Amino acid sequence: KAGVTQTPRYLIKTRGQQVTLSCSPISGHRSVSWYQQTPGQGLQFLFEYFSETQRNKGNFPGRFSGRQFSNSRSEMNVSTLELGDSALYLCASLRDIPNTGELFFGEGSRLTVL
Amino acid sequence: AQRVTQPEKLLSVFKGAPVELKCNYSYSGSPELFWYVQYSRQRLQLLLRHISRESIKGFTADLNKGETSFHLKKPFAQEEDSAMYYCALSGAAAGNKLTFGGGTRVLVKP
Repeated sequence: KAGVTQTPRYLIKTRGQQVTLSCSPISGHRSVSWYQQTPGQGLQFLFEYFSETQRNKGNFPGRFSGRQFSNSRSEMNVSTLELGDSALYLCASLRDIPNTGELFFGEGSRLTVL
Repeated sequence: AQRVTQPEKLLSVFKGAPVELKCNYSYSGSPELFWYVQYSRQRLQLLLRHISRESIKGFTADLNKGETSFHLKKPFAQEEDSAMYYCALSGAAAGNKLTFGGGTRVLVKP
């Protein structure tokens, strides 16, 4: 079974721009979560989508948004980029039947904001 | 609010020595606790969860609700155990949201 796939793997943007990151979960997994990883703040939860609905949200500003499509693929968008948005963005999928609580992570998209 | 604390950023041990990674949590309800591991150049993956009460790669972790701890232990460390370890918590009210600790880097020296 293919693992969680994230694209692009690396990208560089400038302040004020926007970015869209994509995540394809493991086949059959309907839950997709996004995390931001930085050296200072560690791993922080952004949001979770299940069957195209946002089920959970972390404490991030409205510039961070996401969506999920009918095939469970998910995208997250960050608008008006700031230097502090430079981070590794991880996507994770969860098998819901049975739900063991185990998250399967992608390799991440590394965003650098200049 | 839920919080996970891993007090050690780095643990350096010799091969064959015991290793213990500390994890303390704060959560008002009944938590689910996990240990995730990231080996060099690999993606973050689950090592073990408290509900399964199993030993994985020689590691065990016991949930101590009185001390709100979930320490990870291995009696004889191996060089392949060198990795970044994260303790994580999920609460019923939080759904599948995981709150991670800051991580502990383990270095096993030959």
